[in-house]
Amino acid sequence: ELKVEQNPLFLSMQEGKNYTIYCNYSTTSDRLYWYRQDPGKSLESLFVLLSNGAVKQEGRLMASLDTKARLSTLHITAAVHDLSATYFCAVTGGTSYGKLTFGQGTILTVHP
Amino acid sequence: DADVTQTPRNRITKTGKRIMLECSQTKGHDRMYWYRQDPGLGLRLIYYSFDVKDINKGEISDGYSVSRQAQAKFSLSLESAIPNQTALYFCATSDGDRAYEQYFGPGTRLTVT
Repeated sequence: ELKVEQNPLFLSMQEGKNYTIYCNYSTTSDRLYWYRQDPGKSLESLFVLLSNGAVKQEGRLMASLDTKARLSTLHITAAVHDLSATYFCAVTGGTSYGKLTFGQGTILTVHP
Repeated sequence: DADVTQTPRNRITKTGKRIMLECSQTKGHDRMYWYRQDPGLGLRLIYYSFDVKDINKGEISDGYSVSRQAQAKFSLSLESAIPNQTALYFCATSDGDRAYEQYFGPGTRLTVT
């Protein structure tokens, strides 16, 4: 059974600081996704990582994938208040092909 | 107009009632999914369908049923609602040929009293 764990689950940051959210998964996977969810809203796709060593960046967010370590990171650079949201990683692969297994989510709050 | 729509957006119902949540999409995707979201648990897959004639149970299908009426429509039913089915429900779609991303509807907030 594919399991996905994120840490931390809660992250309170000051504006301007850097931090990293970690996503570990338990079995071989060929694709990893990062989503953002604002309170009361739907999920918005941020990144799709398809291969070992993949790195994608959008604004202050950068995601990477290490399939050998079964680890993805979402790095936040110089945080701003607008980044406050819940961030989910999700994984598909192996017997879960075509289905997403989600992490618990990381609730990020950026303070002035 | 939104590519993935869900109706109703909010619903309060009583224990034991039957309720149907509907999902429609205009993206032309063949694959559709139903998830529920509970605080601290992420999203959990209830049912999924890779085409009109293909229905599969997900991680937490007990107490739920689905119907894929057409490529664009996928409905979720609670035959006899119970309070622990109170949650936020999301429908999602993906393109089977690309299977890269799932696109989510706006969600339905269901409360069972």
